[in-house]
Amino acid sequence: DIQMTQSPYSLSASVGDRVTITCRAGQSISGYLNWYQQKPGTAPKLLIYGTSSLQSGVPSRFSGSESGTDFTLTISSLQPEDFATYYCQQRETFGQGTKLEIK
Amino acid sequence: QLQLQESGPGLVKPSETLSLTCSVSGGSISTNNYYWVWIRQPPGKGLEWIGNIYYAGSTYYNSSLESRVTISVDTSKNHFSLKLSSVTAADTAVYFCASEQLDWYFFDYWGQGTLVTVSS
Repeated sequence: DIQMTQSPYSLSASVGDRVTITCRAGQSISGYLNWYQQKPGTAPKLLIYGTSSLQSGVPSRFSGSESGTDFTLTISSLQPEDFATYYCQQRETFGQGTKLEIK
Repeated sequence: QLQLQESGPGLVKPSETLSLTCSVSGGSISTNNYYWVWIRQPPGKGLEWIGNIYYAGSTYYNSSLESRVTISVDTSKNHFSLKLSSVTAADTAVYFCASEQLDWYFFDYWGQGTLVTVSS
């Protein structure tokens, strides 16, 4: 299995901030990297697939990018509803999760 | 729009077998667009992929659980199932079923999740 290392573990930010979350793959994964948002008591929600494709209905303030084996989820301007936990995923492997909290 | 719904006992005794079913509606489970997958989340922890199945019956399991896991599909009932044997308290988790899209291997439709507690 390919190791996925997600950082940071937690993050405090304010409404309107730009935030980035990173996932590093243990080897090349050919862009097969997806991002999810999970709020307490609910199933994860797909945000980004294939590194940078926005899932239907997801706001455009969410974006994904890649640099080699480093993958980034960016939220351009945090909204109150964005405070949640975020996971990257590559095939059968999930990142450890990043809890985004209000500062 | 697919809808998935997990069902099964919420309490299982140690050493027994956990059994869950995921009912799929809004589309056929016999599609070549998806795998059908089980994912779990222990309380307060991250997501763990358990395994998946294709409608034709081929399966792929998490190597750490492979000796205890069986996933099966019933196309006539449009559902798939999970069995996890010899459970311990470490198997206490919310269990989700989901669809896994075959082109980019993402999980786009999820059940709401069901909490299974292992306790005597």
